Amino acid sequence: SQQGEEDPQALSIQEGENATMNCSYKTSINNLQWYRQNSGRGLVHLILIRSNEREKHSGRLRVTLDTSKKSSSLLITASRAADTASYFCATDESNTGNQFYFGTGTSLTVIP
Amino acid sequence: DTGVSQDPRHKITKRGQNVTFRCDPISEHNRLYWYRQTLGQGPEFLTYFQNEAQLEKSRLLSDRFSAERPKGSFSTLEIQRTEQGDSAMYLCASSSYYTDTQYFGPGTRLTVL
Repeated sequence: SQQGEEDPQALSIQEGENATMNCSYKTSINNLQWYRQNSGRGLVHLILIRSNEREKHSGRLRVTLDTSKKSSSLLITASRAADTASYFCATDESNTGNQFYFGTGTSLTVIP
Repeated sequence: DTGVSQDPRHKITKRGQNVTFRCDPISEHNRLYWYRQTLGQGPEFLTYFQNEAQLEKSRLLSDRFSAERPKGSFSTLEIQRTEQGDSAMYLCASSSYYTDTQYFGPGTRLTVL
């Protein structure tokens, strides 16, 4: 079963615009990670945020975490056509630690 | 090679046959994970190794699935008596003891006819 759910399921924007994706999860976690997957390829790690952190930045990526609402958001600023991909959040439950649960993903299309 | 590799990249088999996939993690990584991903879904956790020990296995995983990591380096995932529902992408990931970041391989796409 999957713990996380991303919202929206699909997002289409123009190049240069910002893209925001949300992730909700069900149980207490140690950390939350965001991954990108290009069609038919493996997953690429983007950023990890720990349960005691509220915000993290990496280049054009900004991730927030609200443990009280069990939710996270990923913001991609100044999007590029190369950002077109599916984005997944992954969480590990605090009481297991080694089982990672992925959401169903947000499919992002950036139109040149 | 600094990445996770998987072999084969594609496998087509007939229902009822056994298949085995191999994963070579990043050399210094002691943690290894197997996932299954179907179209339009996120990866689903199958099993986890720390060194050669299989520490966790999904409760949803059929007994037809078995995984090994005999020397704490590469791992194999075997599916016995394959069914059409086993058709999926099988992903392997590894991480080190000091970080939770998982690095994924390109996956093995299994098609069961």
